[in-house]
Amino acid sequence: EIVMTQSPATLSVSPGERATLSCRASQSVSSNLAWYQQKPGQAPRLLIYGASTRATGIPDRFSGSGSGTDFTLTISSLQSEDFAVYYCQQYNNWPPLTFGGGTKVEIK
Amino acid sequence: QLQLQESGPGLVKPSETLSLTCTVSGGSISSSSYYWGWIRQPPGKGLEWIGSIYYSGSTYYNPSLKSRVTISVDTSKNQFSLKLSSVTAADTAVYYCARWTPVTAILPWGQGTLVTVSS
Repeated sequence: EIVMTQSPATLSVSPGERATLSCRASQSVSSNLAWYQQKPGQAPRLLIYGASTRATGIPDRFSGSGSGTDFTLTISSLQSEDFAVYYCQQYNNWPPLTFGGGTKVEIK
Repeated sequence: QLQLQESGPGLVKPSETLSLTCTVSGGSISSSSYYWGWIRQPPGKGLEWIGSIYYSGSTYYNPSLKSRVTISVDTSKNQFSLKLSSVTAADTAVYYCARWTPVTAILPWGQGTLVTVSS
């Protein structure tokens, strides 16, 4: 099973600032990596797939990068609606599909 | 627009079987190249993939749950289902149904349904 590790667990950022979230895989997942945003009481929403492709309707302030074992989600200028929990997920070696433990982006 | 909706009991007794159904609207569950599956999230915790069924009927389960999980599809009703046997309090979670592909990952998700295991 591929273990996904996200850091930091919590990220405190001021609105308008840049946020950088990290995700590391225990072995290579190529570019088969997705990022999801989850707000309280809601289902996760797909932001990025293929490590760097934005899903339909996702603002361009969200960008993904990386391949192999190290990945980054960058939010260029945080808006109020971006404060949420973010999960990475690999779909290269499965079953099982595996998720990271999440990074909570909170208001500083 | 494809939509998924979970349904089933919100309360299950320990040692019994949890049963949920996901109804798909706005598209056919028989469409090729798609996997349909279940993901759960215990209160305040992260996401755990339970398993998936391919449009052809092949099933794939999380090894940690494999002995207790069955996923099936009813193409006539455009639904797929989850059965999780011998539940304990550790199975209390929000259960999501979703579609995924190896190209576009998990999209869309159902809204989720909370299942509590308690006597």
